[in-house]
Amino acid sequence: DGGITQSPKYLFRKEGQNVTLSCEQNLNHDAMYWYRQDPGQGLRLIYYSQIVNDFQKGDIAEGYSVSREKKESFPLTVTSAQKNPTAFYLCASRNSKTFNEKLFFGSGTQLSVL
Amino acid sequence: KNEVEQSPQNLTAQEGEFITINCSYSVGISALHWLQQHPGGGIVSLFMLSSGKKKHGRLIATINIQEKHSSLHITASHPRDSAVYICAVPNYGGSQGNLIFGKGTKLSVKP
Repeated sequence: DGGITQSPKYLFRKEGQNVTLSCEQNLNHDAMYWYRQDPGQGLRLIYYSQIVNDFQKGDIAEGYSVSREKKESFPLTVTSAQKNPTAFYLCASRNSKTFNEKLFFGSGTQLSVL
Repeated sequence: KNEVEQSPQNLTAQEGEFITINCSYSVGISALHWLQQHPGGGIVSLFMLSSGKKKHGRLIATINIQEKHSSLHITASHPRDSAVYICAVPNYGGSQGNLIFGKGTKLSVKP
């Protein structure tokens, strides 16, 4: 079955540590997105990529980094510069960059600080 | 920038009740999305609509473009419908292809 796989489901970060969240899709989608969800808030865009080897900052990119070396993969690194990383992180993809395409989501990663 | 408001924030219903969740937005749009977030966190796209009404099983989504308002209805609600329902609209002034998401409506259906 086609879909988006995020791992791990739970992740703990120590102070000063960088951690990487994995996102893999086998839907052959061009566009991929990373969102952050905080309690009581709407999803906010961290980074997005429309094509391999290209990505753009979203609304809250500070303290995060991404890469898009393969169409299927869009990992997110939460760096030590992100001072408040505790949140639920969702990866999504769609067939094209237009607004009128459905978004497909992964099951999310809950990141907590030790 | 588009503003999205959902109501109610929380909703408790008895099994079998008819449910309505509302979404209002401030800027005219080409399409609106309804999403369902399961208790485990995963999100599923329910509907994408630009006019009129769409139906899938017991779920019905309507949109009034002139009034900038959409509703999600659930007929004969069931405990398995318990989830957070989120509406989202295009962010025309922001990152290309991105959506602005409402804060969600948490629905709990009691048996």
